[in-house]
Amino acid sequence: EPEVTQTPSHQVTQMGQEVILRCVPISNHLYFYWYRQILGQKVEFLVSFYNNEISEKSEIFDDQFSVERPDGSNFTLKIRSTKLEDSAMYFCASSGTSGPLDEQFFGPGTRLTVL
Amino acid sequence: AQSVTQLDSQVPVFEEAPVELRCNYSSSVSVYLFWYVQYPNQGLQLLLKYLSGSTLVKGINGFEAEFNKSQTSFHLRKPSVHISDTAEYFCAVSEERGKLIFGQGTELSVKP
Repeated sequence: EPEVTQTPSHQVTQMGQEVILRCVPISNHLYFYWYRQILGQKVEFLVSFYNNEISEKSEIFDDQFSVERPDGSNFTLKIRSTKLEDSAMYFCASSGTSGPLDEQFFGPGTRLTVL
Repeated sequence: AQSVTQLDSQVPVFEEAPVELRCNYSSSVSVYLFWYVQYPNQGLQLLLKYLSGSTLVKGINGFEAEFNKSQTSFHLRKPSVHISDTAEYFCAVSEERGKLIFGQGTELSVKP
């Protein structure tokens, strides 16, 4: 069964460093998302991506964040200069061809720890 | 603005007992409602969704939910739970563009 994969599973970085979180969505999907979950808090929407551009972003998704689909398979989230409060589990999701209300399939997440 | 409230952070229940996980939402426009489940160390998996039509929605693993527009609720139910249902359950709402707004989550703990 197709699935969304994410690498790495755990990333530790120093404050101020850049990190890139990688996701491989399901191959025929068209809509891509990033969410995050700070420990003990709810899952929060960060950004959605369709047709090679951002379709919606949250207030959290400031200039320190960027997304890219560099090739036909990967979908990346870059944090330019990490802060302590960026420590969270980051989930990638993708959905299919019928529209944005198609089921979103989530990856297992990348746990980011900023020291 | 949309929001979702899950009224119970933890629900302990014995195996084979019925369970209801509560979810209320607020939105000024038409909404689409979802329940996701998260097993330990895994991503979120869709249990069921309400887009339109019948207000009683059946999902995977024997779960169902009922959309109640007047009470702005979308409670999740299962008539008889198993140990394997132990997980975190998230209610979510979306508008047409696909962004999911999640509730705080309810930790369901099924005891033998």
